[in-house]
Amino acid sequence: EAQVTQNPRYLITVTGKKLTVTCSQNMNHEYMSWYRQDPGLGLRQIYYSMNVEVTDKGDVPEGYKVSRKEKRNFPLILESPSPNQTSLYFCASSPQTGVNTEAFFGQGTRLTVV
Amino acid sequence: AQSVTQLDSHVSVSEGTPVLLRCNYSSSYSPSLFWYVQHPNKGLQLLLKYTSAATLVKGINGFEAEFKKSETSFHLTKPSAHMSDAAEYFCVVSDLYVGNTPLVFGKGTRLSVIA
Repeated sequence: EAQVTQNPRYLITVTGKKLTVTCSQNMNHEYMSWYRQDPGLGLRQIYYSMNVEVTDKGDVPEGYKVSRKEKRNFPLILESPSPNQTSLYFCASSPQTGVNTEAFFGQGTRLTVV
Repeated sequence: AQSVTQLDSHVSVSEGTPVLLRCNYSSSYSPSLFWYVQHPNKGLQLLLKYTSAATLVKGINGFEAEFKKSETSFHLTKPSAHMSDAAEYFCVVSDLYVGNTPLVFGKGTRLSVIA
């Protein structure tokens, strides 16, 4: 089954404790991205990757890191989480960027930083 | 730069009545437009997409949307609401030639369906 898999689905952590949210897709998509969803703000892009070893900042990259060592994986790293990073996070992948391309989303990771 | 405005943050309808969720977009070039739905505690699912072919687009679960370039709108409609339609809906624009960000989301419209 074609899918984007995120782990964990739920995570509660303390301020400053490094964490990683994994994302994996089995569709051989080139483009992957991370979004955070906050009430009243919709989805905002954190980072994206056009292909292996190619990453760039989205609209809200502060406090986050990513890597793209393999085509299928795109982990999101919070080196020193803070309470304002409490949010719902989505990973997405697309066959390619551009017009007519739809994104496939993971189920989401609900992160709470206390 | 592209942007999306969803004109209503919350819409409430009675079961069996029509649904209208409004979306206006701004794009420097020919856009692709999408509607996604998010049910509680679920991921986002594509409802339909406009890809510069027919201006009236039919999607899943009886939803459709009409692309109106003159009004820069892409409103989502359904003739008869069902309880299972209660969810958050996002209008999304994609613009190939502006930077490398393919999807810009609206802030969402929460649809409530009353029995």
